[in-house]
Amino acid sequence: KQEVTQIPAALSVPEGENLVLNCSFTDSAIYNLQWFRQDPGKGLTSLLLIQSSQREQTSGRLNASLDKSSGRSTLYIAASQPGDSATYLCAPIPIQGAQKLVFGQGTRLTINP
Amino acid sequence: KAGVTQTPRYLIKTRGQQVTLSCSPISGHRSVSWYQQTPGQGLQFLFEYFSETQRNKGNFPGRFSGRQFSNSRSEMNVSTLELGDSALYLCASSPSGATIDTQYFGPGTRLTVL
Repeated sequence: KQEVTQIPAALSVPEGENLVLNCSFTDSAIYNLQWFRQDPGKGLTSLLLIQSSQREQTSGRLNASLDKSSGRSTLYIAASQPGDSATYLCAPIPIQGAQKLVFGQGTRLTINP
Repeated sequence: KAGVTQTPRYLIKTRGQQVTLSCSPISGHRSVSWYQQTPGQGLQFLFEYFSETQRNKGNFPGRFSGRQFSNSRSEMNVSTLELGDSALYLCASSPSGATIDTQYFGPGTRLTVL
């Protein structure tokens, strides 16, 4: 059974800092991994989909990496801004039943102006 | 392209009642998944529909059911509501539900059971 852990659970930093969010998962039989952000009371917004063959994916100030063998993914946010404040969730995508995503509790990020 | 839409956005029901939630996927998407989000349990997978057939199911009691129509729109039904069913219900769509597909989530329906 897949279990996902995200560390830290909460993070508060001043604007402009570079930061790293961590995601670990117990079952490495995954195909891809997706990162999402969720604003309070809202749905999830897809940030990045990392395919296992890529190991890394970039979108603007975001960079995500995936190491299936160690069961880890990291999301790097460069030059953080107050608009980045949200909860960040990772979801490993299983080889079987691709839509049956398992989420961790997320990292609640606050960027202070 | 319009995103995933969910109706209604907010709902208040009392224990014992039943409720139906609706999800319209992105045009062209045939896979629709449903998730329940609560503060205690986080996000949990309910079920996935593809071409009007339930393809995957999570660990929820039979009071939770769903269906998908020929236009890919999906509905979720919860019967005999309990207080613990209060949650944000999210649906997500993708083109085919394949491992390479990105899932796109709707804004959710906030259900409160009194």
